[in-house]
Amino acid sequence: GAVVSQHPSRVICKSGTSVKIECRSLDFQATTMFWYRQFPKKSLMLMATSNEGSKATYEQGVEKDKFLINHASLTLSTLTVTSAHPEDSSFYICSASSRAGETQYFGPGTRLLVL
Amino acid sequence: KQEVTQIPAALSVPEGENLVLNCSFTDSAIYNLQWFRQDPGKGLTSLLLIQSSQREQTSGRLNASLDKSSGRSTLYIAASQPGDSATYLCAVASNQAGTALIFGKGTTLSVSS
Repeated sequence: GAVVSQHPSRVICKSGTSVKIECRSLDFQATTMFWYRQFPKKSLMLMATSNEGSKATYEQGVEKDKFLINHASLTLSTLTVTSAHPEDSSFYICSASSRAGETQYFGPGTRLLVL
Repeated sequence: KQEVTQIPAALSVPEGENLVLNCSFTDSAIYNLQWFRQDPGKGLTSLLLIQSSQREQTSGRLNASLDKSSGRSTLYIAASQPGDSATYLCAVASNQAGTALIFGKGTTLSVSS
């Protein structure tokens, strides 16, 4: 099956710093990528949808200026958490699909801890 | 607004038992429904995907059914094994193709040897 990678897998940072997370589709071109967040013992919640070459669509309650998403190519999307705070500590997972309505393939996730 | 509920939240069974995990959703206008497995601290592994026009899908010891009109899906695991221990997530895609998935909170399964 299709493979999606995320980097880094784990990151610890100080409050106020920015962290960039990469999501790559390794063996297919992803026209659409999704970013989810999962807090402990909670389900995955969609943060934003990004289509290659266009601005991301953010879910209600997600600050677009805080969570910057770039989908500049068909194989790479990045999520930058700007001025991170302890409450941003979470498990961030991306998914990618090659065509609208097709199966989404999930990355392994990135665990962010903000001290 | 679509809401997905999974029951039970946790389940413990001895090895060899057959078991059923339940998922319900409030809006029957779905595009498809997926079952995922998530191991602690890990990402998601897709188990089965059922299109809205389908009634069930099977893969090995797993069988997922879909009753769109009643807003229900079940995941049947036959002859459970300790390696099946994980959290199982149900997710639905809305009627707009390509939209993101709405997840339930999952059922955490523990299979003892």
